[in-house]
Amino acid sequence: DAKTTQPTSMDCAEGRAANLPCNHSTISGNEYVYWYRQIHSQGPQYIIHGLKNNETNEMASLIITEDRKSSTLILPHATLRDTAVYYCIVRVETSGSRLTFGEGTQLTVNP
Amino acid sequence: DVKVTQSSRYLVKRTGEKVFLECVQDMDHENMFWYRQDPGLGLRLIYFSYDVKMKEKGDIPEGYSVSREKKERFSLILESASTNQTSMYLCASSPGLAAYEQYFGPGTRLTVT
Repeated sequence: DAKTTQPTSMDCAEGRAANLPCNHSTISGNEYVYWYRQIHSQGPQYIIHGLKNNETNEMASLIITEDRKSSTLILPHATLRDTAVYYCIVRVETSGSRLTFGEGTQLTVNP
Repeated sequence: DVKVTQSSRYLVKRTGEKVFLECVQDMDHENMFWYRQDPGLGLRLIYFSYDVKMKEKGDIPEGYSVSREKKERFSLILESASTNQTSMYLCASSPGLAAYEQYFGPGTRLTVT
């Protein structure tokens, strides 16, 4: 599985867009990019995933560069409840079920 | 929305006790998972199940067993609790075995004294 690199921490003002980057320069053609988050003392929450094209759902947007070596998760209007650790995961869909999280990015949304 | 519920948010047990952690999902998902999460060690898979009465060992199955008698329910059993099993236990479900779109419960923080 491709290794991912994320900043340790980021801050964002409430109501502004939060842009969380992830580098995955060794990604292979059949690997998907997944994003999860974990609010303190809660279970992880699936956010979004994508392969090549940009994706959007009710929670966030995922922008994947054309060479697929990096991606950005965008929370368009961050709220205090979006304060969490955000994990970027790169996996082949058929390689097994295990979810493994790296260190992730601690996003703090400030009032 | 997918809902995964766990029987307890906090649990305190004594060493040697048999402990049951229950997990129920309401989305008719085929696959269910038990993880534990510890500071500095991340998320580790204990067991998973891809069908009723089917189970597969994860990365750290020692000291644990599981039961899946019904599709919606997946139980984790600590046969004889030990202090090194103090942890946050997380149950998840997913619609497909290879899907990383897993939906987690709120977690059970187990303390073994």
